Amino acid sequence: DSGVTQTPKHLITATGQRVTLRCSPRSGDLSVYWYQQSLDQGLQFLIQYYNGEERAKGNILERFSAQQFPDLHSELNLSSLELGDSALYFCASSVEQRSTEAFFGQGTRLTVV
Amino acid sequence: GESVGLHLPTLSVQEGDNSIINCAYSNSASDYFIWYKQESGKGPQFIIDIRSNMDKRQGQRVTVLLNKTVKHLSLQIAATQPGDSAVYFCAENNSGGYNKLIFGAGTRLAVHP
Repeated sequence: DSGVTQTPKHLITATGQRVTLRCSPRSGDLSVYWYQQSLDQGLQFLIQYYNGEERAKGNILERFSAQQFPDLHSELNLSSLELGDSALYFCASSVEQRSTEAFFGQGTRLTVV
Repeated sequence: GESVGLHLPTLSVQEGDNSIINCAYSNSASDYFIWYKQESGKGPQFIIDIRSNMDKRQGQRVTVLLNKTVKHLSLQIAATQPGDSAVYFCAENNSGGYNKLIFGAGTRLAVHP
């Protein structure tokens, strides 16, 4: 168990809908990262937050947004969902802002039908 | 469990043999590298890391080698066991200051008794 908790584990929703994925980082970790993993794309970095502020952005679609709350948990919001958004979404956390071991949660499996 | 990367390159080894998994990274400015192991249905799990001021680092049964000249990283697993069967990803920190791990495509390691 990495100490990073993601909910829900599985999510099935229809195209056009909006969903929210939740992540609780390890105790003491200030950085939260979101990754998308699909079969043909591997692990793609989406966004990083550190202590409530956005720190780095990857290939995150405009339909996607994230935030980190004062209690350090983070949410990834996916809207106007398309079939191609079906993937595993992972959250990871680390103590520092950069260059440190990041611990991953078990992921949320999103299926858009 | 979930299938990750159905078309990944696969390394097949016999139990007890040594395994070498290779990775080419993209950015000569990357200064931090991590190897992750991902078992079916689970999130990536940290194995070992190395900074660019080193060319070798050893852990328990694992060794990471870094060749900055050719931008190549390798993971050596000694006395490979069935429990080592997984997909292995290398990741580089390519952020210019903030954590933005860029993952390679992954290699599937299959250990046969």
